[in-house]
Amino acid sequence: EVQLVESGGGLVQPGGSLRLSCAASGFTFSSYDMHWVRQATGKGLEWVSAIGTAGDTYYPGSVKGRFTISRENAKNSLYLQMNSLRAGDTAVYYCARGAIAAQGFDYWGQGTLVTVSS
Amino acid sequence: SYVLTQPPSVSVAPGKTARITCGGNNIGSKSVHWYQQKPGQAPVLVIYYDSDRPSGIPERFSGSNSGNTATLTISRVEAGDEADYYCQVWDSSSDHYWVFGGGTKLTVL
Repeated sequence: EVQLVESGGGLVQPGGSLRLSCAASGFTFSSYDMHWVRQATGKGLEWVSAIGTAGDTYYPGSVKGRFTISRENAKNSLYLQMNSLRAGDTAVYYCARGAIAAQGFDYWGQGTLVTVSS
Repeated sequence: SYVLTQPPSVSVAPGKTARITCGGNNIGSKSVHWYQQKPGQAPVLVIYYDSDRPSGIPERFSGSNSGNTATLTISRVEAGDEADYYCQVWDSSSDHYWVFGGGTKLTVL
């Protein structure tokens, strides 16, 4: 059974940093692209980063230069280092497995809440 | 940047058919994927490649895509189908390569 379990969320002040983790199990982690998708309270889904099986990374302009996605295949783990956090980054952050010829997401974790506030 | 437009809400009586639309410029040339999200839960893939269903998703869920509109159709709607539904495409010319619609709240009356 595919499982994705996020951790590392919490309360952080504006300008601060936070590192999210996603522990994967039930599949060959190294063979899949992985993503982070966020959702502000009461709002829609927003893709925020992706990492390919070769370690190639992708970001939208809103987080580029502030967020860094990485993976550690030996530990079946995905990470998101978030720096220079802003109030607008407040959201539940989901880890998701890339699929559908890399065009979509077939499994999602339960999410971890990041709150940026003073 | 590619924009997907969904109606904020759709209401349907139990046993009837719900249709949720997703509009985008020439969306028929793209592959559309649909996710269901119940309150407090993670999204679940319900339709991929416009009309394919993952294993475990009831046949009541179907999809179509043509022109500027993709549609998720839920037949014989049940109370348990009440959720938010999001369409999604991949667009290499967008800032957000993986683009989501704004979501549609399906209410079962």
